[in-house]
Amino acid sequence: EPEVTQTPSHQVTQMGQEVILRCVPISNHLYFYWYRQILGQKVEFLVSFYNNEISEKSEIFDDQFSVERPDGSNFTLKIRSTKLEDSAMYFCASSGGQGSNYFGPGTRLTVT
Amino acid sequence: GESVGLHLPTLSVQEGDNSIINCAYSNSASDYFIWYKQESGKGPQFIIDIRSNMDKRQGQRVTVLLNKTVKHLSLQIAATQPGDSAVYFCAETPFQNSGYALNFGKGTSLLVTP
Repeated sequence: EPEVTQTPSHQVTQMGQEVILRCVPISNHLYFYWYRQILGQKVEFLVSFYNNEISEKSEIFDDQFSVERPDGSNFTLKIRSTKLEDSAMYFCASSGGQGSNYFGPGTRLTVT
Repeated sequence: GESVGLHLPTLSVQEGDNSIINCAYSNSASDYFIWYKQESGKGPQFIIDIRSNMDKRQGQRVTVLLNKTVKHLSLQIAATQPGDSAVYFCAETPFQNSGYALNFGKGTSLLVTP
């Protein structure tokens, strides 16, 4: 069964550093998303991406964040200058446009 | 603002019993609802979905009920098994076919005891 994959599974970085989280969505999906989940809390929407552009973003997705689909398979989330409060699980998801988002296993980001 | 929330943070049931997990939503424009299961250290896993033009949908051992009048959603798990232990989230979005982002509730932790 096709699945969303994410790398790395765990990323440790120092405050102020840039990080890039990578995702390979399900191949025939058209919509791509990033969500985050702070430990013990609910999943929060960050950004959605369709037709090579951002279609929706939340208040969390400020100028420190950017997304890119550099080729036909990868979808990346970049955090330009990490802050302590960026520590969370980051989930990539994709959808064929029928509503349900299929989630990857997540990348645990730890900012020290 | 609009929110999706769950009534109970934790639910403990005995193996073999039926489980009911509840969710309230406030967005009148919500059109599509999904239940996700999240095991420790993993991403949310799709369980079952329902559109706003339905009030009940059944899957394998799971049933989702939607009451639009009171903006309430429930997930019923029949014959709960130890493998059902996880956190369950409801999520909603205004439109099923637009690729809109999901708004998640806070989650209910289901613990199945032998």
